[in-house]
Amino acid sequence: GAVVSQHPSWVICKSGTSVKIECRSLDFQATTMFWYRQFPKQSLMLMATSNEGSKATYEQGVEKDKFLINHASLTLSTLTVTSAHPEDSSFYICSARDGRTQETQYFGPGTRLLVL
Amino acid sequence: GESVGLHLPTLSVQEGDNSIINCAYSNSASDYFIWYKQESGKGPQFIIDIRSNMDKRQGQRVTVLLNKTVKHLSLQIAATQPGDSAVYFCAPGDSSYKLIFGSGTRLLVRP
Repeated sequence: GAVVSQHPSWVICKSGTSVKIECRSLDFQATTMFWYRQFPKQSLMLMATSNEGSKATYEQGVEKDKFLINHASLTLSTLTVTSAHPEDSSFYICSARDGRTQETQYFGPGTRLLVL
Repeated sequence: GESVGLHLPTLSVQEGDNSIINCAYSNSASDYFIWYKQESGKGPQFIIDIRSNMDKRQGQRVTVLLNKTVKHLSLQIAATQPGDSAVYFCAPGDSSYKLIFGSGTRLLVRP
């Protein structure tokens, strides 16, 4: 149990385009979903916390107009990188918190974004 | 601010030996702690967690020890196998449900 999927697993896009990444909890209802980004050889950096049906809470320094997060259901959250630039190239990882087990976050496999 | 640090950025062990990965944290409000394993190009994988009202928890081949007095925890892996090679993160959490990831420790298992 506790499987989280992400789609796509990797994406290459041109500078200025927008990219949408989906995060799904497959076998549980995710009360909260989280979005992280990770640069090579670095740790995970929390970008935002997303609760179903409400606006996402962004961490300091993360532009909410650039990284649009939608959490329309208990099993799906999306991250849209708008007007992507090369510096947005990174590994984006989502996690989902199972409300039944309270604290534990289960992570998706990640999405590698390359902006040319 | 919050900080989570690891004493050893890289740990090299012989296959079959036990591994100990250490983690220090600074937030006294942390009331649960999760260890994750991340292989290259993949998302973190849950290994084991422990709540602040415990000082030890055991899983399959893994044991986590928590010392709240000095804000330190460790992950012990018994009979380390090549498949254990990865980066290990400890992630303290609090009532906000946010996890703060440390810099990670790379575990290398020598055959």
